[in-house]
This record gives sequence, C-alpha cells and structure tokens, in this order.
Amino acid sequence: GDSVTQMEGPVTLSEEAFLTINCTYTATGYPSLFWYVQYPGEGLQLLLKATKADDKGSNKGFEATYRKETTSFHLEKGSVQVSDSAVYFCALRDKAAGNKLTFGGGTRVLVKP
Amino acid sequence: GAVVSQHPSWVICKSGTSVKIECRSLDFQATTMFWYRQFPKQSLMLMATSNEGSKATYEQGVEKDKFLINHASLTLSTLTVTSAHPEDSSFYICSASKWQGAAEQFFGPGTRLTVL
Repeated sequence: GDSVTQMEGPVTLSEEAFLTINCTYTATGYPSLFWYVQYPGEGLQLLLKATKADDKGSNKGFEATYRKETTSFHLEKGSVQVSDSAVYFCALRDKAAGNKLTFGGGTRVLVKP
Repeated sequence: GAVVSQHPSWVICKSGTSVKIECRSLDFQATTMFWYRQFPKQSLMLMATSNEGSKATYEQGVEKDKFLINHASLTLSTLTVTSAHPEDSSFYICSASKWQGAAEQFFGPGTRLTVL
C-alpha cells in the first residue's frame, strides 16, 4: 500500500536558518504530493502541493519539488522565522487508492529567535 | 474561507461511556467529510469517509459499531465513540471537502479524547 516517510523531529533552528524536511513516498499509482502545516491549536492547513513529476510547489517561502526518480518531496525554506514553528506533514493522494490522503508522521519544527 | 471546527476540543470520560465529537464546516457546504485518528508522534490514520446523506465508508480494521459516524447535513458530521475504553484515547481530526473527489480537504483543529 501507499506510505509516506518523513524525518522525525523535533527540528530546532535559529531564526534565518535554512530548513529542510525530508519526505519520501511509495505509491501504487502516480500520486499528487502535499505538505500540510499545523500551527499550535489549529487544524492542518495546506502549505503547498505538486501534482506531477518535476512540479515545484511553493508558498510562503517554502518550496518542494516532486522527484519521481527518487520518490521524494523534500520541503525547504531558505530563511525561517519564529512564526514557522509548527508541525509539518507530508502527504500523498493516489487515485489508484481511491483518492485518499496518506500522511507521514509529521515533523515538529521549533524556530528560536 | 473554508473553516472547519470541532467540538469539543478535548474530552475526558470514564471507561464504558460514549462520547460524541462534532465536526462543522462553518462557511461552506461539505459534501464529504473524513475522520482521522492520530496517535502521539504518529501519522494521521484515516478512519472513515462520509458523504452527506449516505452511510460512512470505513477503512479496514476500523470497527463501524464502535465508531459511529453520522453526516446528516452538509455542514455537520459527528463521530460517536461507543463504550469507550482507554485504548480509544487519541487525537481525532476531521476534514471536509466541498465535493466528492475534490482534491483539497480542510481540516478541523482536532479533539483530544482521554478515556480513564
């Protein structure tokens, strides 16, 4: 079945540091890939997405590129802020699996001033 | 727009009692709602998918008689954990999409259930 693996946290960074969260996946079909973010006390919010190989999703300074050859969708941000402290979830949506979302375990990021 | 709320945000109950969790789409009509369960430091696991006016579709391994889902209107779905036991303690999250098969789901903030 489909699965998503992402690096375990917590990841602690200083403000303006570079952030990378690794995400790899296995899927039976050709999935769409997503990054969701969950701020404290709030629901998951869609951060960015990519629907096919080599697509790059971007939002709020975050980027992730759909790499089919390495089955990866790593999240990056060049200069993090304290407000980026949250839990980040990588996920895939596979039409071959009924369009369900499959999530990774989440990575908590803490940015210190 | 596309705000989803859950109530309560946390609940503590005694073993053997039933607990109802509500999921509401506040500013849109949700044809489809999803219920997830999240254990500490683990992934969100899809429990069931419900379409308004239809019976919920449960994932393999989820007891439909224990986790009763009702989606009676386009803005409200409820999850009732019947005869709760300590192993049912978890974080329950709902999401909603505007139409069946829609790519984007909008998530609620979650409900923390603790069964003593």
